[in-house]
Amino acid sequence: DAGVIQSPRHEVTEMGQEVTLRCKPISGHNSLFWYRQTMMRGLELLIYFNNNVPIDDSGMPEDRFSAKMPNASFSTLKIQPSEPRDSAVYFCASSPGTGELFFGEGSRLTVL
Amino acid sequence: AQSVSQHNHHVILSEAASLELGCNYSYGGTVNLFWYVQYPGQHLQLLLKYFSGDPLVKGIKGFEAEFIKSKFSFNLRKPSVQWSDTAEYFCAQNDYKLSFGAGTTVTVRA
Repeated sequence: DAGVIQSPRHEVTEMGQEVTLRCKPISGHNSLFWYRQTMMRGLELLIYFNNNVPIDDSGMPEDRFSAKMPNASFSTLKIQPSEPRDSAVYFCASSPGTGELFFGEGSRLTVL
Repeated sequence: AQSVSQHNHHVILSEAASLELGCNYSYGGTVNLFWYVQYPGQHLQLLLKYFSGDPLVKGIKGFEAEFIKSKFSFNLRKPSVQWSDTAEYFCAQNDYKLSFGAGTTVTVRA
């Protein structure tokens, strides 16, 4: 299995620009998670989907962040407009429902 | 709400030393506990997990963890560390979503 695939691996953008991060979960997994990792705040859960439906988005920082999962094999996390404080590594993870998460390689975002 | 507490922020030790990282979880109906490792520049990988049964769990790379229900603890251990064990270690608890502790950075000196 290819594992969880994220793109881009690195993104450098300027403040105010729109950023879209993409994730392809492992085939057959029914849950998908977006996490953000920073030195200051550690790992934070942003949003969680189950069977393509958002279940808990309480971790989404503000309205500038949005996430979609149009089908079982694709999800996006969008930031519009981006700000320097959004700089972080964003991880996508999927789960087959056992409680164990399988993480992607992460997308490192730098907002100048 | 779930909360996972890791006792140590940064641990520095020499090769062949024993390692123990503390983790306390919050009470929940179902206790699913995990230890993940993140090597420098990489993503999180599962070291071991506990769902039920034998409270002493064996994981990959010689790691083990002990679930002690009376203490709400799930400490990670390795009898003899190697330089390649340098990484950040996260304890996590899963009810319907995975909640991570703050992480412990482990530096192993050759």
